[in-house]
Amino acid sequence: DAGITQSPRYKITETGRQVTLMCHQTWSHSYMFWYRQDLGHGLRLIYYSAAADITDKGEVPDGYVVSRSKTENFPLTLESATRSQTSVYFCASSRIGTGENYGYTFGSGTRLTVV
Amino acid sequence: AQSVTQPDIHITVSEGASLELRCNYSYGATPYLFWYVQSPGQGLQLLLKYFSGDTLVQGIKGFEAEFKRSQSSFNLRKPSVHWSDAAEYFCAVGAGDYKLSFGAGTTVTVRA
Repeated sequence: DAGITQSPRYKITETGRQVTLMCHQTWSHSYMFWYRQDLGHGLRLIYYSAAADITDKGEVPDGYVVSRSKTENFPLTLESATRSQTSVYFCASSRIGTGENYGYTFGSGTRLTVV
Repeated sequence: AQSVTQPDIHITVSEGASLELRCNYSYGATPYLFWYVQSPGQGLQLLLKYFSGDTLVQGIKGFEAEFKRSQSSFNLRKPSVHWSDAAEYFCAVGAGDYKLSFGAGTTVTVRA
């Protein structure tokens, strides 16, 4: 089915471990985004990508790494997980466009717990 | 940079009553404005968006929102709430650069 899928849905990891969250979209949307959702903060942008091999920092990038070697995939890596990175992570994609065509589609999220 | 404020953290409303969620944004030009809904354990679903034209926007599930430039607001309304409307609601603003800024969200509880 076409869409945007995130994996895993749930992940528990230990402090200091590296963990990668996956995001895959089937629309060939140019833009992809990673947000984290925390109580009282809404969604905050971690990283985004305008196209393959083009990435840029968002509001809260520290401790995260991204790559985008293919248009359809945008993995997010926590290099050394900390408890403060316990959160729900959402991936989103957007086609290039204005007006009616402007906007995101979100994945279902990954709930990450760092213990 | 654009920003969004949702003044109400939590609202409780009776089933069948009307609902209004407030959203104020900060941006110099005409923004793209969105309302998303998130049911427990789910992702975000787009309710409606404004980008130009008629300032009263109709969305899914019987929701509407009104853009008021003079008040920098984009409040969401529903005339009669159903129990299934219990969820968290997010307002978001975009400046055309494909990055959206989200408010902190408003949790809606519906009582019977």
